[in-house]
Amino acid sequence: GGIITQTPKFLIGQEGQKLTLKCQQNFNHDTMYWYRQDSGKGLRLIYYSITENDLQKGDLSEGYDASREKKSSFSLTVTSAQKNEMAVFLCASSRQGTNTEVFFGKGTRLTVV
Amino acid sequence: GDSVTQTEGLVTLTKGLPVMLNCTYQTTYSPFLFWYVQHLNEAPKLLLKSSTDNKRTEHQGFYATLHKSSSSFHLQKSSVQLSDSALYFCALRRGSALGRLHFGAGTQLIVIP
Repeated sequence: GGIITQTPKFLIGQEGQKLTLKCQQNFNHDTMYWYRQDSGKGLRLIYYSITENDLQKGDLSEGYDASREKKSSFSLTVTSAQKNEMAVFLCASSRQGTNTEVFFGKGTRLTVV
Repeated sequence: GDSVTQTEGLVTLTKGLPVMLNCTYQTTYSPFLFWYVQHLNEAPKLLLKSSTDNKRTEHQGFYATLHKSSSSFHLQKSSVQLSDSALYFCALRRGSALGRLHFGAGTQLIVIP
């Protein structure tokens, strides 16, 4: 088995601030993802990466940057936090393939004041 | 584009009753369908998956059948338990793409004594 570790678990930022969320996985998976979870809106893909140094935009990439520094780590940057923004950011990973399971971390809960 | 629709946002049931959570999808590619379950403050976890038309797949008392003719993958259980209270997501991955999962908005299931 493996685990996905997201840091920090809770993040409080100020409006306009640049904030970075980090994710590590020890599954040795090629593909990693960042999803945003809002109540009533499901999971929306922000960025994903199919291999080290690769970066693909998802449906919600505006306002975010991402970086796949090495195979095991994938970070997400909120470029300018929006006031009253509250969401959970989920990191995930999987082997390549259409039928493979995606494993998720427990999330980083962001609050912008 | 690809999409997943879950029609119920909230389902409240008494313990012991049957449940069906609806999931329909749209894609022009060969579909792979998944059900994920997320308990409170936990990471989403895979519950079921299927790409085979008209074949029932089961896990932990839950079951679903992919029907390509109606583009559906409804989740069912014959007798819900208190521990089934959770958020359930249906997800779609097309056969030709690397990695991407498209999630529905999710259905919150609450089981009461």
